[in-house]
Amino acid sequence: QKEVEQNSGPLSVPEGAIASLNCTYSDRGSQSFFWYRQYSGKSPELIMSIYSNGDKEDGRFTAQLNKASQYVSLLIRDSQPSDSATYLCAVASVTGNQFYFGTGTSLTVIP
Amino acid sequence: DTEVTQTPKHLVMGMTNKKSLKCEQHMGHRAMYWYKQKAKKPPELMFVYSYEKLSINESVPSRFSPECPNSSLLNLHLHALQPEDSALYLCASSQFPGADTEAFFGQGTRLTVV
Repeated sequence: QKEVEQNSGPLSVPEGAIASLNCTYSDRGSQSFFWYRQYSGKSPELIMSIYSNGDKEDGRFTAQLNKASQYVSLLIRDSQPSDSATYLCAVASVTGNQFYFGTGTSLTVIP
Repeated sequence: DTEVTQTPKHLVMGMTNKKSLKCEQHMGHRAMYWYKQKAKKPPELMFVYSYEKLSINESVPSRFSPECPNSSLLNLHLHALQPEDSALYLCASSQFPGADTEAFFGQGTRLTVV
C-alpha cells in the first residue's frame, strides 16, 4: 500500500481561527487528491478534490497541491465548532482504482 | 444525489454464522469499493469492482467474499469471521475507475463478531 502521511494531531484551534492540515504522499505518480471529513462513528464525507498544482477554494475550505513536493494541504478559515472532526487525506493511485487514506488528523475547534 | 446506501447499519454475528452486507447506488457509478475501518484508524481498502468485475483484492482473507450482481449493487458475504474482524465496513462508489474521479461513501455497517 502506498504511504500517505498526515500530522496526526490532535490539532486544537480557537473558533474563528485558521486550521491547517497537511498531508504528504509517497507515490510520485499519484494524480488525484481528496480531503474527507469524518465525525466520530460516521462515514467519511468528501470535502474537496484537487487534481492540479495550486490552490482550490470552496467556501471556507482551500486545498493546496504541490506535486513536486508531494504535498497537499487543507486550510479551514473561520473555523467553527462544527468543524471538529477527523480529516482524512486520500490519494488515488495512478490507475485511479485505489484510494489510499492517510492516518487522519483530529481537529478540535474550541468555542 | 450522491447517495450510497448500506444495509444493515449494525450487525452482530457469531463466528460460525454466514451473513451478507449490502451496498446500493443509483448514480450510474461504475466503480465500487469495500473498505474496513477499525477504531481511530483510516479506512483500509479491501476490494475494488470496475464495471462489475473484481479488479483489486488487497489480499483479503477468503472468509470475506465480494459479489457485484449488477452495476448498482455490491455485496460482501461473510463466513467464519473472527472477533478481530469487528469493524466498520464502508462501501464507496465513483463515477468510473480511473483518476480524477471522486468516491462517495455509504454510512457503513458496524459489524461485531462474537
